[in-house]
Amino acid sequence: NAGVTQTPKFQVLKTGQSMTLQCAQDMNHEYMSWYRQDPGMGLRLIHYSVGAGITDQGEVPNGYNVSRSTTEDFPLRLLSAAPSQTSVYFCASSPARTRLRDEQFFGPGTRLTVL
Amino acid sequence: GQQVMQIPRYQHVQEGEDFTTYCNSSTTLSNIQWYKQRPGGHPVFLIQLVKSGEVKKQKRLTFQFGEAKKNSSLHITATQTTDVGTYFCAGTSGTYKYIFGTGTRLKVLA
Repeated sequence: NAGVTQTPKFQVLKTGQSMTLQCAQDMNHEYMSWYRQDPGMGLRLIHYSVGAGITDQGEVPNGYNVSRSTTEDFPLRLLSAAPSQTSVYFCASSPARTRLRDEQFFGPGTRLTVL
Repeated sequence: GQQVMQIPRYQHVQEGEDFTTYCNSSTTLSNIQWYKQRPGGHPVFLIQLVKSGEVKKQKRLTFQFGEAKKNSSLHITATQTTDVGTYFCAGTSGTYKYIFGTGTRLKVLA
């Protein structure tokens, strides 16, 4: 199993550009989520999904869109990049077999810089 | 909204000394998880606590969940250089929204 994979590893955008961060998992996990981590801070939940076709907002959803058309993939779209979105983005997945009581497996992260 | 605070933010210890980080939630949690993140890496799951007053041990690591399920702690006995990293707690109040603490960055001096 590759686990949770994220692409790209690094990205530089100009203000106003849009892009999609890719996340995929091969563990047949129901639950997937996106976090951002800013320097010296914890992880903040952007969006999450409890299964294909179901998504919901986290703590900091503004400026981001998600969709979950398959169990494996959970892309994160930046609609119009802003410097405040400069951060490291982590995707995570969890089996969610027993409702919330499962560890989250994190991908390696995408380091995004918005100029 | 729900907030999870961790103290201290930073801790430097001599190798062999003990280390403790504390996690406090503004609301009652249904469960709490602990993660470790090495510098430049991604968070890695350590453990999950579910029951009030629960204590779990993993070798030199001891995890506790408070009686009121609003606080938790991680204690490392006799730290080693391999313990270096940032330790995060993450809790949820019964939804799928995990709230992470601010983290405690541990440095171990050899």
